[in-house]
Amino acid sequence: NAGVMQNPRHLVRRRGQEARLRCSPMKGHSHVYWYRQLPEEGLKFMVYLQKENIIDESGMPKERFSAEFPKEGPSILRIQQVVRGDSAAYFCASSPLGSGTNYGYTFGSGTRLTVV
Amino acid sequence: KNEVEQSPQNLTAQEGEFITINCSYSVGISALHWLQQHPGGGIVSLFMLSSGKKKHGRLIATINIQEKHSSLHITASHPRDSAVYICAVSYSGGGADGLTFGKGTHLIIQP
Repeated sequence: NAGVMQNPRHLVRRRGQEARLRCSPMKGHSHVYWYRQLPEEGLKFMVYLQKENIIDESGMPKERFSAEFPKEGPSILRIQQVVRGDSAAYFCASSPLGSGTNYGYTFGSGTRLTVV
Repeated sequence: KNEVEQSPQNLTAQEGEFITINCSYSVGISALHWLQQHPGGGIVSLFMLSSGKKKHGRLIATINIQEKHSSLHITASHPRDSAVYICAVSYSGGGADGLTFGKGTHLIIQP
């Protein structure tokens, strides 16, 4: 039973390019959360999704960032026109039926994005 | 908005020592989580607590809901325990379901 799978583990993009980060939740988990960890800072909530729905995107920057969790396939965090300040580790977590509040979270290994 | 404060920020100890990391939060929560992160590594969920005490191997987590405080203890510490330990809280209702995190405690256990 594989855990939360994130890919790629490391991603290098030039300024202005697009970054696409993927997260496959644990089998049986239908809730996905994305978090960002900036260098020397703590983790911050970005967005909470269920299949085909964005439940809470209060932590997402208003521009250039979007997230989806389609009916089939992984959840995608998309960053358009990346800038150096987007360099960070992006973690995905999933929880089973019901929210992570009640059932806990399983985290992926993260994607480390470097913008050059 | 819930603030999560951890102490100490950095902790260096000798192998075998008893370790305590503290976490306090400002508003009512549904659950408190202790997470472990190794340098460059992923995040592992250690405990999820809503009351009382939990134990797993050499790790013990306690929470006092009235005082809004939790502690993570490591008994017989070992160099492989060196990591960042992160406290996070979650609450039900009100829309946001994600976690709010403390800044982490950097623990180094020296042999």
